[in-house]
Amino acid sequence: EAGVTQSPTHLIKTRGQQATLRCSPISGHTSVYWYQQALGLGLQFLLWYDEGEERNRGNFPPRFSGRQFPNYSSELNVNALELEDSALYLCASRLVAGIAREQYFGPGTRLTVT
Amino acid sequence: KQEVTQIPAALSVPEGENLVLNCSFTDSAIYNLQWFRQDPGKGLTSLLLIQSSQREQTSGRLNASLDKSSGRSTLYIAASQPGDSATYLCAAIYGGSQGNLIFGKGTKLSVKP
Repeated sequence: EAGVTQSPTHLIKTRGQQATLRCSPISGHTSVYWYQQALGLGLQFLLWYDEGEERNRGNFPPRFSGRQFPNYSSELNVNALELEDSALYLCASRLVAGIAREQYFGPGTRLTVT
Repeated sequence: KQEVTQIPAALSVPEGENLVLNCSFTDSAIYNLQWFRQDPGKGLTSLLLIQSSQREQTSGRLNASLDKSSGRSTLYIAASQPGDSATYLCAAIYGGSQGNLIFGKGTKLSVKP
C-alpha cells in the first residue's frame, strides 16, 4: 500500500511569489492535515481538510490556503511569500473514523524563499 | 493552553545503552499520544500510538507509556543502536480539538558506536 506522497520535494521561490504544494493521502483516507516545520519553531498545525471541506486552521494568516479535491488529494497554496515561510511542509492523512486515529505523514516539501 | 514539552532537547548515549525519552503535556483530556521519529530533512515516521484508555504500547525495542494523571509519556528504547540516531517527537490530540496534533519540539538522539 502506497504511503502519503507529496510534491515537489523541493521548491525555491522569490519573496512575493506564490507557492503550490501537493499531497496525496493513503488510499481510503479522507482527512488531510498540513503542518509547517520552520527552523527553531517546531511542527505547527496549518490546515485540516475532510470530505472536500476546510474543517479547521491553525494560527496562520489567510495567505495560507488550500483545497481538497474529490479524490481526497490536497493542495496548499501560499501567497505573497515571505522569507519566514521557508520551512518543511508536511502533509498527513487519517481515516475519518474518529480523531483518535493515527496520522501518517508524507516526506514533506522543502520550501525556500529567497 | 495545550502544550507538549520534551526534555532534554538533545541526548547522546553509547551504543547498547537503554534510554528513556520524556514528554509532558498540560491537559489530561487527551485522546491519544503519538511518538514519531524524524531523520534530518525528512518526514515523520510513526513509531507508537497510545490511546487515552491505554497505559502502554510496545513495538520491538520500543515501549511507550502514558500517565494521564501526571501528564507524562515516556519512550523507552532498549539496547540502542547507531541507527536509532534521529529526532524523536511526541504529539498529542486533545479532546475538543479537530484532531490536529500538537507537537513537542523533539529530542535529538545521538547513539555513538
